[in-house]
Amino acid sequence: KQEVTQIPAALSVPEGENLVLNCSFTDSAIYNLQWFRQDPGKGLTSLLLIQSSQREQTSGRLNASLDKSSGRSTLYIAASQPGDSATYLCAVPKTGGFKTIFGAGTRLFVKA
Amino acid sequence: EAQVTQNPRYLITVTGKKLTVTCSQNMNHEYMSWYRQDPGLGLRQIYYSMNVEVTDKGDVPEGYKVSRKEKRNFPLILESPSPNQTSLYFCASSRTGQGANTGELFFGEGSRLTVL
Repeated sequence: KQEVTQIPAALSVPEGENLVLNCSFTDSAIYNLQWFRQDPGKGLTSLLLIQSSQREQTSGRLNASLDKSSGRSTLYIAASQPGDSATYLCAVPKTGGFKTIFGAGTRLFVKA
Repeated sequence: EAQVTQNPRYLITVTGKKLTVTCSQNMNHEYMSWYRQDPGLGLRQIYYSMNVEVTDKGDVPEGYKVSRKEKRNFPLILESPSPNQTSLYFCASSRTGQGANTGELFFGEGSRLTVL
């Protein structure tokens, strides 16, 4: 059974700091892994999608890596800004089916 | 613009009064899904659809119905809403391949439902 865990659950950092968010999954046979951002009470915005054949994806100040063998993905945020404050979730589609498993998210607060 | 549109965005209703939350996508995606999000419980899948006329239960289907008569639309129906269905609901869509939803998931803005 696929389980997705995100650590830490919450993180508070000063503006300008580089930070890493972690996502672990138990079944390494995944098609892809997707990172989302969610502002309070709002929808999920897709940040990065890493296919199983890829090692990393980059978009602006964001870089996501994928290590299937160890069941881990990291989201690196460079030079954090107060506008980055949000909850970040990772998700993997369940192999052999049509369900998507979400992590509980990491709530990030960037202090000005 | 590629998007998933949900309506209504906010709704307050009373126990037992049937309601429908609509979801429409303009990306020609085969896969569509409904989730609910509750504090401390995260995102939980209600129902999903792999294509027209093909639907299946997610993890929390009780009290909900869906239909997929057209590729672009996937309405969520609450036949007799109860207070425990008060939640934030999201619709999402993606491409499919390899027998799974392998594409990027796109989410709607959410529908906040309150059942009194």
